[in-house]
Amino acid sequence: KQEVTQIPAALSVPEGENLVLNCSFTDSAIYNLQWFRQDPGKGLTSLLLIQSSQREQTSGRLNASLDKSSGRSTLYIAASQPGDSATYLCAVFTGANSKLTFGKGITLSVRP
Amino acid sequence: EAGVAQSPRYKIIEKRQSVAFWCNPISGHATLYWYQQILGQGPKLLIQFQNNGVVDDSQLPKDRFSAERLKGVDSTLKIQPAKLEDSAVYLCASRTGLAGARYEQYFGPGTRLTVT
Repeated sequence: KQEVTQIPAALSVPEGENLVLNCSFTDSAIYNLQWFRQDPGKGLTSLLLIQSSQREQTSGRLNASLDKSSGRSTLYIAASQPGDSATYLCAVFTGANSKLTFGKGITLSVRP
Repeated sequence: EAGVAQSPRYKIIEKRQSVAFWCNPISGHATLYWYQQILGQGPKLLIQFQNNGVVDDSQLPKDRFSAERLKGVDSTLKIQPAKLEDSAVYLCASRTGLAGARYEQYFGPGTRLTVT
């Protein structure tokens, strides 16, 4: 059974800091891994999707890496801003007829 | 391209009442999911449809939850009767069913249910 872990559950940083959010998963047989952002009371916004054959994906100030063999992914946020404050969820997809398995998320607060 | 639509956005009901949620996926997306997200948790899959057939409903509490996807497009999720522990955000997601696709899921805004 696939399990996804995100630690810590919450993180508070000053504005401008570069930060790394970690995600680990137990079964390395995945199709892809997605990072989502969730604002309070809202749905999920997909940030980055990394296919199993890829090592990283970049979008603006965000960079996500994937090490499938070790069951780890990181989301790097450069020059953090207060607008980055949200919950970041990691999810893995393990098959064509499968579902996303989510971590519990990391709640990020960026202090002005 | 329009995103995944859900309604209502918010619902407050008393326990033992019934409630229904509606989802309209992205046009052409064959696969539709309903997830339940309890506060402080990641979303948990309730049911997955491929066109109008059920692929996975192993975590759907079938004694009180039901879902359908008539004509393989819109879907409804119903709870009857509701319990306090059903308070959560109900998320609908869809993706293309084409072979070789990225399998990227697109989520709607969710319905926040409060059971009192």
